[in-house]
Amino acid sequence: DAKTTQPNSMESNEEEPVHLPCNHSTISGTDYIHWYRQLPSQGPEYVIHGLTSNVNNRMASLAIAEDRKSSTLILHRATLRDAAVYYCIPRGWGNFGNEKLTFGTGTRLTIIP
Amino acid sequence: DTAVSQTPKYLVTQMGNDKSIKCEQNLGHDTMYWYKQDSKKFLKIMFSYNNKELIINETVPNRFSPKSPDKAHLNLHINSLELGDSAVYFCASSQVETSGGYTDTQYFGPGTRLTVL
Repeated sequence: DAKTTQPNSMESNEEEPVHLPCNHSTISGTDYIHWYRQLPSQGPEYVIHGLTSNVNNRMASLAIAEDRKSSTLILHRATLRDAAVYYCIPRGWGNFGNEKLTFGTGTRLTIIP
Repeated sequence: DTAVSQTPKYLVTQMGNDKSIKCEQNLGHDTMYWYKQDSKKFLKIMFSYNNKELIINETVPNRFSPKSPDKAHLNLHINSLELGDSAVYFCASSQVETSGGYTDTQYFGPGTRLTVL
């Protein structure tokens, strides 16, 4: 599994955009980049994933560097409900034997009202 | 309807007891998982089942025995509970997506907080 580096914590004001960075310099060419988040006292929740191109969905945008060694999760307008620990997870694939999610320490995002 | 459900939500028991945690998913997924989150909030895979067959066993002690009676259920039985087993246990399920690539999205249950006294 590729190693990831994320800031331990970040703060953002409510209703402002948030950019959560992740370095994954050892990522392999076939690894997808997944982002999950864990709200307080809840199970992890899928946010977004991508391979090479930038991706958008209703929750967030994912910007992937051209060399794929880093990515940035973008929350366009943070709300209090977005306060959570965000995990960046490069994922390999292997014959139904390697679909596990390997969680790192993630970034704890605090939203300031 | 809850996509991935777990019972019980809280479990408090004495050392040495045997207990079970149940998990059910109504998403029609082929793969189910158990993860453990320890007191330091570190989340780690324990087991994975695909179509009722064990796929991943991450060096978990033999006291932990998963059982998958069908694709929608993956239960976790723990024998001779120890203090170190205290944690939050999360069940998850997923289905391979092949459109636009080959990956999956995992859906997690709400967790079961196990406390061993």
